[in-house]
Amino acid sequence: DQQVKQNSPSLSVQEGRISILNCDYTNSMFDYFLWYKKYPAEGPTFLISISSIKDKNEDGRFTVFLNKSAKHLSLHIVPSQPGDSAVYFCAASDVGSGAGSYQLTFGKGTKLSVIP
Amino acid sequence: DVKVTQSSRYLVKRTGEKVFLECVQDMDHENMFWYRQDPGLGLRLIYFSYDVKMKEKGDIPEGYSVSREKKERFSLILESASTNQTSMYLCASKRGGVNEQFFGPGTRLTVL
Repeated sequence: DQQVKQNSPSLSVQEGRISILNCDYTNSMFDYFLWYKKYPAEGPTFLISISSIKDKNEDGRFTVFLNKSAKHLSLHIVPSQPGDSAVYFCAASDVGSGAGSYQLTFGKGTKLSVIP
Repeated sequence: DVKVTQSSRYLVKRTGEKVFLECVQDMDHENMFWYRQDPGLGLRLIYFSYDVKMKEKGDIPEGYSVSREKKERFSLILESASTNQTSMYLCASKRGGVNEQFFGPGTRLTVL
């Protein structure tokens, strides 16, 4: 049972345009969400996060939006650059105590290709 | 900067061999994790540890064990490697009380 879903395995965007990566979740206990970026043959690197008490967080070209009622979040990259081409993972953490609070649940990833 | 290192970038082993994957972090993080990444499946948690000598099973612990004798080091052990354990293995660590995990560069393991 997949609790974090990234329904688009891949996305192609022209350089300079907006990239929108989507993520849906089913567990209402999730209270913190993160996006990671991964290049081939490297480990994922943290990109941006958002707490469930917010609906938007911005860091330079990257903005994450959270819609709690829809259990949906999205990552916007504006403007997209060729160096943004990578796999992007959405991850979620729940509010519970004990073992659950140590873990992140990851989506399967979306491969973004930014075309020059 | 947090640094998470893994003992090998690429590893080739034979079926039935015992395999050790080592992970070291230099930021005194309490929590450490082992994942495997496979195409179309994303990152799946194998085991994690929230303290020295403590371990918890993740989503796919079968065929694996772990060891954490020192705070900075977390080892993943494949007792008898099988071809379906061919994968990219990623180690991560984090400080207690925060969500962000820091990842190592990964070990690409091939089991022949």
